[in-house]
Amino acid sequence: KAGVTQTPRYLIKTRGQQVTLSCSPISGHRSVSWYQQTPGQGLQFLFEYFSETQRNKGNFPGRFSGRQFSNSRSEMNVSTLELGDSALYLCASSLVVGKAPEAFFGQGTRLTVV
Amino acid sequence: QKEVEQNSGPLSVPEGAIASLNCTYSDRVSQSFFWYRQYSGKSPELIMSIYSNGDKEDGRFTAQLNKASQYVSLLIRDSQPSDSATYLCARERAGSYQLTFGKGTKLSVIP
Repeated sequence: KAGVTQTPRYLIKTRGQQVTLSCSPISGHRSVSWYQQTPGQGLQFLFEYFSETQRNKGNFPGRFSGRQFSNSRSEMNVSTLELGDSALYLCASSLVVGKAPEAFFGQGTRLTVV
Repeated sequence: QKEVEQNSGPLSVPEGAIASLNCTYSDRVSQSFFWYRQYSGKSPELIMSIYSNGDKEDGRFTAQLNKASQYVSLLIRDSQPSDSATYLCARERAGSYQLTFGKGTKLSVIP
Protein backbone atom coordinates (compact mmCIF):
# COMPACT_ATOMS: atom_id res chain seq x y z
CA LYS A 1 0.00 0.00 0.00
CA ALA A 2 1.50 3.31 -1.05
CA GLY A 3 2.16 5.89 1.62
CA VAL A 4 1.54 9.60 1.61
CA THR A 5 3.21 11.19 -1.41
CA GLN A 6 4.37 14.78 -1.42
CA THR A 7 5.72 16.68 -4.39
CA PRO A 8 8.08 18.25 -4.99
CA ARG A 9 10.63 17.03 -2.42
CA TYR A 10 12.77 20.16 -2.64
CA LEU A 11 12.09 23.72 -3.72
CA ILE A 12 14.13 26.88 -3.82
CA LYS A 13 12.16 30.09 -4.25
CA THR A 14 12.88 33.79 -4.10
CA ARG A 15 11.28 36.18 -1.63
CA GLY A 16 8.00 37.49 -2.94
CA GLN A 17 7.25 34.48 -5.10
CA GLN A 18 4.49 32.00 -4.45
CA VAL A 19 4.64 28.25 -4.20
CA THR A 20 2.23 25.33 -4.42
CA LEU A 21 2.88 22.02 -2.70
CA SER A 22 1.00 18.82 -3.42
CA CYS A 23 -0.02 15.88 -1.26
CA SER A 24 -1.59 12.57 -2.24
CA PRO A 25 -2.93 10.71 0.80
CA ILE A 26 -2.90 6.99 1.47
CA SER A 27 -5.60 5.32 -0.58
CA GLY A 28 -8.89 5.47 1.29
CA HIS A 29 -7.78 8.23 3.65
CA ARG A 30 -10.03 11.25 3.42
CA SER A 31 -8.47 13.57 6.00
CA VAL A 32 -5.38 15.52 5.05
CA SER A 33 -3.45 17.81 7.38
CA TRP A 34 -0.51 20.10 6.76
CA TYR A 35 2.28 20.98 9.18
CA GLN A 36 5.31 23.24 9.09
CA GLN A 37 8.49 22.09 10.79
CA THR A 38 11.34 24.42 11.66
CA PRO A 39 14.25 23.95 14.07
CA GLY A 40 13.04 26.79 16.28
CA GLN A 41 9.30 26.19 16.40
CA GLY A 42 9.10 22.45 15.83
CA LEU A 43 6.02 21.00 14.17
CA GLN A 44 3.16 23.44 13.84
CA PHE A 45 -0.30 22.76 12.48
CA LEU A 46 -1.35 24.65 9.37
CA PHE A 47 -4.76 23.26 8.40
CA GLU A 48 -6.84 20.13 8.02
CA TYR A 49 -9.23 19.09 5.24
CA PHE A 50 -11.89 16.46 5.02
CA SER A 51 -14.22 15.95 2.08
CA GLU A 52 -12.95 19.15 0.47
CA THR A 53 -13.80 21.19 3.59
CA GLN A 54 -11.33 22.91 5.85
CA ARG A 55 -12.25 21.86 9.37
CA ASN A 56 -9.49 23.60 11.28
CA LYS A 57 -6.77 26.15 10.66
CA GLY A 58 -3.67 26.93 12.66
CA ASN A 59 -2.26 30.29 13.63
CA PHE A 60 -0.63 31.22 10.33
CA PRO A 61 -1.11 34.35 8.20
CA GLY A 62 -3.52 34.38 5.29
CA ARG A 63 -0.61 33.92 2.88
CA PHE A 64 -0.91 30.24 3.71
CA SER A 65 -3.86 28.56 2.09
CA GLY A 66 -4.91 25.12 1.03
CA ARG A 67 -7.54 23.07 -0.64
CA GLN A 68 -8.62 19.49 -1.10
CA PHE A 69 -9.96 17.88 -4.20
CA SER A 70 -12.71 15.30 -4.58
CA ASN A 71 -10.11 12.50 -4.79
CA SER A 72 -8.75 13.64 -1.39
CA ARG A 73 -5.53 14.99 -2.87
CA SER A 74 -4.56 18.30 -1.33
CA GLU A 75 -2.51 21.32 -2.18
CA MET A 76 -1.18 24.12 -0.07
CA ASN A 77 -0.13 27.49 -1.37
CA VAL A 78 2.10 30.11 0.14
CA SER A 79 2.02 33.52 -1.47
CA THR A 80 4.49 36.40 -1.12
CA LEU A 81 7.17 34.16 0.30
CA GLU A 82 9.30 35.40 3.17
CA LEU A 83 12.67 34.13 4.35
CA GLY A 84 10.98 32.79 7.49
CA ASP A 85 8.83 30.47 5.39
CA SER A 86 11.86 28.27 4.81
CA ALA A 87 10.90 24.99 6.43
CA LEU A 88 9.97 21.38 5.96
CA TYR A 89 6.30 21.18 5.01
CA LEU A 90 4.68 17.92 5.98
CA CYS A 91 1.41 16.43 4.90
CA ALA A 92 -0.35 13.75 6.94
CA SER A 93 -3.35 11.62 6.04
CA SER A 94 -5.79 9.82 8.30
CA LEU A 95 -8.45 7.18 7.89
CA VAL A 96 -11.37 8.75 9.68
CA VAL A 97 -12.57 6.09 12.06
CA GLY A 98 -13.01 6.33 15.80
CA LYS A 99 -12.30 9.30 17.96
CA ALA A 100 -8.75 10.12 17.01
CA PRO A 101 -7.56 8.72 13.71
CA GLU A 102 -3.85 8.05 13.48
CA ALA A 103 -1.99 10.39 11.15
CA PHE A 104 0.70 9.17 8.76
CA PHE A 105 3.19 11.61 7.32
CA GLY A 106 4.63 11.98 3.87
CA GLN A 107 8.33 12.59 3.22
CA GLY A 108 7.81 16.32 3.20
CA THR A 109 8.72 19.19 0.93
CA ARG A 110 11.84 21.11 1.89
CA LEU A 111 11.24 24.75 0.95
CA THR A 112 14.12 27.20 0.93
CA VAL A 113 13.37 30.88 0.39
CA VAL A 114 16.33 33.01 -0.66
CA GLN B 1 2.99 26.68 30.17
CA LYS B 2 3.42 25.17 26.73
CA GLU B 3 0.64 22.88 25.58
CA VAL B 4 2.90 19.85 25.15
CA GLU B 5 6.29 19.75 26.82
CA GLN B 6 9.16 17.37 26.42
CA ASN B 7 12.70 17.37 27.69
CA SER B 8 14.79 18.18 24.63
CA GLY B 9 17.63 15.91 25.76
CA PRO B 10 19.82 14.56 24.47
CA LEU B 11 19.04 11.41 26.37
CA SER B 12 21.84 8.88 26.14
CA VAL B 13 21.35 5.24 27.09
CA PRO B 14 23.60 2.22 26.55
CA GLU B 15 22.55 -0.46 24.11
CA GLY B 16 20.20 -2.96 25.73
CA ALA B 17 18.98 -0.56 28.41
CA ILE B 18 15.49 0.89 28.84
CA ALA B 19 14.97 4.38 27.46
CA SER B 20 12.28 6.42 29.17
CA LEU B 21 10.80 9.42 27.36
CA ASN B 22 8.34 11.73 29.06
CA CYS B 23 5.79 14.26 27.96
CA THR B 24 3.43 16.53 29.89
CA TYR B 25 0.46 18.45 28.60
CA SER B 26 -1.37 21.43 29.90
CA ASP B 27 -5.08 20.71 29.63
CA ARG B 28 -7.55 18.09 30.71
CA VAL B 29 -9.47 18.15 27.44
CA SER B 30 -6.84 16.24 25.49
CA GLN B 31 -7.98 12.72 24.86
CA SER B 32 -5.64 11.13 22.36
CA PHE B 33 -1.88 10.87 22.45
CA PHE B 34 0.70 9.77 19.95
CA TRP B 35 4.40 9.05 19.84
CA TYR B 36 6.34 9.64 16.65
CA ARG B 37 9.93 8.84 15.83
CA GLN B 38 11.86 11.12 13.50
CA TYR B 39 15.27 10.27 12.13
CA SER B 40 17.45 13.17 11.07
CA GLY B 41 16.35 14.47 7.69
CA LYS B 42 13.28 12.23 7.58
CA SER B 43 9.60 12.70 8.31
CA PRO B 44 7.88 11.61 11.56
CA GLU B 45 6.89 7.97 11.78
CA LEU B 46 4.01 6.90 14.04
CA ILE B 47 5.10 4.47 16.74
CA MET B 48 2.24 4.34 19.23
CA SER B 49 -1.16 5.80 19.95
CA ILE B 50 -2.84 5.72 23.35
CA TYR B 51 -6.25 6.92 24.39
CA SER B 52 -6.96 5.38 27.81
CA ASN B 53 -5.23 5.56 31.14
CA GLY B 54 -2.73 2.80 31.70
CA ASP B 55 -0.16 1.00 29.62
CA LYS B 56 -0.17 -0.06 25.99
CA GLU B 57 2.53 -2.38 24.73
CA ASP B 58 3.72 -3.00 21.19
CA GLY B 59 6.88 -5.03 20.84
CA ARG B 60 9.72 -3.24 22.59
CA PHE B 61 7.62 -0.10 23.04
CA THR B 62 5.27 0.69 25.93
CA ALA B 63 3.22 3.85 26.12
CA GLN B 64 1.86 4.96 29.47
CA LEU B 65 -0.90 7.52 29.97
CA ASN B 66 -1.95 9.18 33.21
CA LYS B 67 -4.68 11.71 32.55
CA ALA B 68 -5.01 12.78 36.17
CA SER B 69 -1.36 13.80 36.24
CA GLN B 70 -1.40 14.95 32.62
CA TYR B 71 1.59 13.01 31.43
CA VAL B 72 2.33 10.40 28.84
CA SER B 73 5.52 8.40 28.53
CA LEU B 74 7.21 6.02 26.14
CA LEU B 75 9.47 3.20 27.29
CA ILE B 76 11.79 1.51 24.84
CA ARG B 77 13.11 -1.81 26.11
CA ASP B 78 16.35 -3.38 24.88
CA SER B 79 17.32 -0.13 23.18
CA GLN B 80 19.23 -0.48 19.92
CA PRO B 81 21.49 2.01 18.12
CA SER B 82 18.81 2.11 15.41
CA ASP B 83 16.46 3.64 17.99
CA SER B 84 18.63 6.78 18.00
CA ALA B 85 16.28 9.49 16.78
CA THR B 86 14.11 12.35 17.97
CA TYR B 87 10.89 11.23 19.63
CA LEU B 88 7.90 13.52 19.31
CA CYS B 89 4.92 13.48 21.62
CA ALA B 90 1.61 14.74 20.22
CA ARG B 91 -1.87 15.18 21.55
CA GLU B 92 -5.22 15.77 19.96
CA ARG B 93 -8.19 17.44 21.58
CA ALA B 94 -11.39 15.69 20.67
CA GLY B 95 -12.93 17.25 17.58
CA SER B 96 -10.02 19.60 16.89
CA TYR B 97 -8.67 17.63 13.91
CA GLN B 98 -5.17 18.77 14.73
CA LEU B 99 -2.14 17.40 16.50
CA THR B 100 -0.13 19.58 18.87
CA PHE B 101 3.46 18.43 19.12
CA GLY B 102 6.14 18.79 21.72
CA LYS B 103 9.56 19.92 20.55
CA GLY B 104 10.85 16.35 20.79
CA THR B 105 13.46 14.47 22.81
CA LYS B 106 16.65 13.40 21.07
CA LEU B 107 17.63 9.88 22.04
CA SER B 108 21.09 8.44 21.52
CA VAL B 109 21.67 4.73 22.09
CA ILE B 110 25.35 4.09 22.67
CA PRO B 111 26.70 0.74 21.37
